[in-house]
Amino acid sequence: NAGVTQTPKFRVLKTGQSMTLLCAQDMNHEYMYWYRQDPGMGLRLIHYSVGEGTTAKGEVPDGYNVSRLKKQNFLLGLESAAPSQTSVYFCASRVWGRRETQYFGPGTRLLVL
Amino acid sequence: GENVEQHPSTLSVQEGDSAVIKCTYSDSASNYFPWYKQELGKRPQLIIDIRSNVGEKKDQRIAVTLNKTAKHFSLHITETQPEDSAVYFCAAKGSSNTGKLIFGQGTTLQVKP
Repeated sequence: NAGVTQTPKFRVLKTGQSMTLLCAQDMNHEYMYWYRQDPGMGLRLIHYSVGEGTTAKGEVPDGYNVSRLKKQNFLLGLESAAPSQTSVYFCASRVWGRRETQYFGPGTRLLVL
Repeated sequence: GENVEQHPSTLSVQEGDSAVIKCTYSDSASNYFPWYKQELGKRPQLIIDIRSNVGEKKDQRIAVTLNKTAKHFSLHITETQPEDSAVYFCAAKGSSNTGKLIFGQGTTLQVKP
């Protein structure tokens, strides 16, 4: 099993450009999450999904959209990138039920100029 | 809103000494408290977790304690080794079925040989 994978690993955008980050998991997990990590601020939840076809807002959703059309994929979109969205983005997934562990992907480093 | 405070932000210890990282949470309904370790440039990985019905849990050199009344939980690492050097994050999960975690700001632990 590959676990949780993220595409791309690194990207540079200009202000106003759009892009989509892809998260894929092969563990048949129901829950998926998108976080951003900034120095001194820990991991902050952007959006999450509790199952195929569902999405919900987290702590810092502004400027981002998500879709979960397939159970194994969770896409994070930036419609008009801003320098404040420069960050490292992590995707995570977990199984439904009492096993609470979230498994993280390797991260995507995004630089918005 | 829900909040998790983590202290200290940086911690430097001599190899063989103990390290303690402390977190406080605001949501009294929180019932699950994981600790993640993140090495430089890598993804966060779960190292230990505790549920609200348990006061202490130990796994070899690491242990976590929970004080529900005070809404505190702590990570204890004994006999520290250079490979323990990393950023450590605490988190808390509320009682909802979304599995959302609120993370602390992180502690950078440096173990000097």
